[in-house]
Amino acid sequence: SAVISQKPSRDICQRGTSLTIQCQVDSQVTMMFWYRQQPGQSLTLIATANQGSEATYESGFVIDKFPISRPNLTFSTLTVSNMSPEDSSIYLCSAGGLAGGLGGTDTQYFGPGTRLTVL
Amino acid sequence: AQSVTQPDIHITVSEGASLELRCNYSYGATPYLFWYVQSPGQGLQLLLKYFSGDTLVQGIKGFEAEFKRSQSSFNLRKPSVHWSDAAEYFCAVAFSSNDYKLSFGAGTTVTVRA
Repeated sequence: SAVISQKPSRDICQRGTSLTIQCQVDSQVTMMFWYRQQPGQSLTLIATANQGSEATYESGFVIDKFPISRPNLTFSTLTVSNMSPEDSSIYLCSAGGLAGGLGGTDTQYFGPGTRLTVL
Repeated sequence: AQSVTQPDIHITVSEGASLELRCNYSYGATPYLFWYVQSPGQGLQLLLKYFSGDTLVQGIKGFEAEFKRSQSSFNLRKPSVHWSDAAEYFCAVAFSSNDYKLSFGAGTTVTVRA
């Protein structure tokens, strides 16, 4: 399994500003993912982040709004840019495809989430 | 279209009673199936998963789930619920064996009454 930490755990931000969320994994992983969980809702995948390549965004999410970095096999960041109150959500990162694990679909492990409130 | 459905938004169960949470998917083949639990203010914890083999899988915290291909279902069960089982439960499905992407159901909130 993998242990995943996120920083910050929560933040309150002003409209029009940006916030960068960090995700650290205690093991090398092939893939990292970023999800959004709006209040009372399920999880929606924002993007997949592979080390050494551009992030792949899901429909409805764009790089200008949610730029992602993946500099190595244990770390990723998600920036929420030019925030509005509609961006108030929990943002979760997850990691899958542990190095040395089975090929194909493997288990995703989730971080504790970052609770973002935009005023 | 590929989809995941959790028909029950909210379930209330008495402590010590049994619990069953439903999950159905729409897909032309057998996907990879997961159940996660999210306690208030917490991240997601994996309860169990099914990739292949025995269709009855055991998980942590006394949970089990049964994959039924004919019904496209992967229902989660627990014989005797504890107050600490009050949480949000998510069924998740990976429709591809290559990209690890998960699609989540809407979630079922479980309330446990004394």
